[in-house]
Amino acid sequence: AQKVTQAQTEISVVEKEDVTLDCVYETRDTTYYLFWYKQPPSGELVFLIRRNSFDEQNEISGRYSWNFQKSTSSFNFTITASQVVDSAVYFCALSYLDTGRRALTFGSGTRLQVQP
Amino acid sequence: DAGVIQSPRHEVTEMGQEVTLRCKPISGHNSLFWYRQTMMRGLELLIYFNNNVPIDDSGMPEDRFSAKMPNASFSTLKIQPSEPRDSAVYFCASRGGQGSQPQHFGDGTRLSIL
Repeated sequence: AQKVTQAQTEISVVEKEDVTLDCVYETRDTTYYLFWYKQPPSGELVFLIRRNSFDEQNEISGRYSWNFQKSTSSFNFTITASQVVDSAVYFCALSYLDTGRRALTFGSGTRLQVQP
Repeated sequence: DAGVIQSPRHEVTEMGQEVTLRCKPISGHNSLFWYRQTMMRGLELLIYFNNNVPIDDSGMPEDRFSAKMPNASFSTLKIQPSEPRDSAVYFCASRGGQGSQPQHFGDGTRLSIL
């Protein structure tokens, strides 16, 4: 069975602080994909990043960075110099390559509030 | 480029009525997913189609729920009869290729059953 755990239910920071959102996953497969999605207050789900299980290189995109560590089954997301517009619920998700398997398994989400 | 289009955006109806939610996936995408989001249960997969064929419907709560995908550009999720506990946001998502590709979500339908 696959499972995604986001232990932080809610995080509140002040603008310009750095914040890290944790994601821990469980899977028995060797080939899998990890995703982060953002759900702003308007409600839509926005794709942020995808990472496959063979690529443990960290990735940086502007103020966003992701740290994938297979040894600890973690795929953490860091926002540097947070801004009010970063306030949203962030979901980590897991999927397999095989289309016959179940679709995305989502974590329960972390609500990030960035105070001005 | 047009994203995933869902309609209606909001639906309020009385218990017992039939509800039909609609989804138009991104052109060229071969997989379509219906999810439900509630405070209590988070984001749950209801059903998943690949090339218009239902692959996994184990998340469909009960027989009152049904989904169809008559062609590559249209899908419906129907609830009949509706109950207050069906109130949720229902998302449709589509994906091209295999599980490696990201799913792209519609804006959701906020359903309220009174």
